[in-house]
Amino acid sequence: AQSVTQLGSHVSVSEGALVLLRCNYSSSVPPYLFWYVQYPNQGLQLLLKYTSAATLVKGINGFEAEFKKSETSFHLTKPSAHMSDAAEYFCAVSINQAGTALIFGKGTTLSVSS
Amino acid sequence: DTGVSQDPRHKITKRGQNVTFRCDPISEHNRLYWYRQTLGQGPEFLTYFQNEAQLEKSRLLSDRFSAERPKGSFSTLEIQRTEQGDSAMYLCASSLRTSGGWETQYFGPGTRLLVL
Repeated sequence: AQSVTQLGSHVSVSEGALVLLRCNYSSSVPPYLFWYVQYPNQGLQLLLKYTSAATLVKGINGFEAEFKKSETSFHLTKPSAHMSDAAEYFCAVSINQAGTALIFGKGTTLSVSS
Repeated sequence: DTGVSQDPRHKITKRGQNVTFRCDPISEHNRLYWYRQTLGQGPEFLTYFQNEAQLEKSRLLSDRFSAERPKGSFSTLEIQRTEQGDSAMYLCASSLRTSGGWETQYFGPGTRLLVL
């Protein structure tokens, strides 16, 4: 069965520091992977997605993620954190192009201090 | 705003009451999904529709839950005889499924349910 593990339920960084949010997946077939962000009292917004076209995926707001099959990882990074990046981040996997259900990790809350 | 909308945004009810939530997807999207998100967890899939057909239901969707999408546009999620364990955020998402194409799910703001 497919699953997603997000390492670290809470990550704190200083403004301007590197952001690294970790995601590992388990899938018996080539996965399609997503990162979503959720701001307080709002729905989920798609940051980026991996659909096998390129292993390094660039998303919105300066975020990017690299698919590493050997490590079964899809970590999210941003070179320089902004205060506005404070939110909850979810990694999700879909097992096929047809989509249907997304399987989400438990989320990582990112705090940014000045 | 042409995104996914949900109504109401918040609902407080007493145990045993019935509640109904509505989701309006992005207009041209043919797929609609319902997820449930409890505190400290990621969203969990409940069910999805392609047009008006309900194609998949999760084991999480007990007999007290029913979802409809009668004309392939908006959808409703009803919970009968609510229990305190039903307290959660209920998220709706929509996508456009095309043959050979990739789909991305776009989420609404959610309906937060509190059962007292």
